[in-house]
Formats: sequence, structure tokens, C-alpha cells
Amino acid sequence: ETGVTQTPRHLVMGMTNKKSLKCEQHLGHNAMYWYKQSAKKPLELMFVYNFKEQTENNSVPSRFSPECPNSSHLFLHLHTLQPEDSALYLCASSQVLSREADTQYFGPGTRLTVL
Amino acid sequence: DAKTTQPPSMDCAEGRAANLPCNHSTISGNEYVYWYRQIHSQGPQYIIHGLKNNETNEMASLIITEDRKSSTLILPHATLRDTAVYYCIVPSIQGAQKLVFGQGTRLTINP
Repeated sequence: ETGVTQTPRHLVMGMTNKKSLKCEQHLGHNAMYWYKQSAKKPLELMFVYNFKEQTENNSVPSRFSPECPNSSHLFLHLHTLQPEDSALYLCASSQVLSREADTQYFGPGTRLTVL
Repeated sequence: DAKTTQPPSMDCAEGRAANLPCNHSTISGNEYVYWYRQIHSQGPQYIIHGLKNNETNEMASLIITEDRKSSTLILPHATLRDTAVYYCIVPSIQGAQKLVFGQGTRLTINP
């Protein structure tokens, strides 16, 4: 238990569906991250939010839309996805006070399958 | 980001020390070395980090060479539950760290 929760843990959706992934951190951190891990590939950073402001968009297609209403919650809204978007989506958080303190804690991930 | 190089795979016997090497020859003077691991289909787990001095916590020890161009993660008494992919990362110097995960080292602990 890392203090970062993600829901749902598994999601199957069609290409025309709209769904959202939710991440919540109970650690009092001020930065939150979305990562994508496709089969047999390394984790890829998607988005970074620092004090609710998006500071990084790693060339992610617009069919992925992040939302960070406060420092404890992060959403990833999904619409018109493609089968190749099937992957493990991981959320992480960190406390950005100093560089040494900036350890990221990951949630368990949402396993997404797009049919 | 400073690039890191790790062997793709390693094996270790249960109960023995597992020593995982990492090269980071382009690391700059104020960049930290972080180690994470990922057990199959779970989120990555933070293990340890260091700057110059050797570090130890309840999970592992980190040995950093004097020139800081390489480091070794040591799991002193490996168990089957330590089977995972281990990542050595030197994060970029920005407000919120960007972790760039490479392929890591797949460590298999054998009974």
C-alpha cells in the first residue's frame, strides 16, 4: 500500500466509449503523474501536474485528456481510443520540496483493454 | 536526463546477495541516482536513492563510485519476492521530476 489508489483496476471499453480513470493520493503530495506501460515496453511519462498546473504533456494524443481538480486527485478522461491504447496506466505522486525529497510513489495501475 | 545502462537480466540464488550494476557516466554533479523496481504487472516501487555517499535502508544498499559514473544496488539476502525488473534512473533537474524508465534489469531469484 503506497498511499496512491487507482480506480478502476481493470477496464474494458469500445472505441466509441468515453471513460475516466481516477487516481487519488493520501500522502499530501503536490505533484501527480500519469504513465503508460504497453506490453513489452518501458513506462512512458504522459502528463505531469505540479500544484494543479500541467507542466508536462509528453506529446500525448488529444483522445487522452487529463484533469487535476486539486493536489490529491488526478483523472484521465478517455474518448475514441484505439486498440493500440490498451496498456497499464499508472498514476504516481511526489512531494516537490527539494530534489532529494522528490521520490515518486506509484499506484497499482489500471489495466485498460480497448476493443 | 543522464543516460543509464543496465544489464538486461541477472539471476541470483535465494538467500544470496544480489548485486545490480548501473552505469551513468554522463551524470552531473548535483543529479541523484534513484532505484525503483516493478514486480510483474504492479506499479513501480521506490527502493533507494543517493548523491555521493553510500546509502542503506531496510530494502537495500546503494554503492556509488567515487567518480559517480556507476553505482550498484545490493539486495543483501535475496528472496523469491525480490524477482522483478529493477530500474536505475537519474531524473532530470526540474520542479517535478521526470522519470525516464529504460528497459531495466530483470532479476530472477532462483530457489
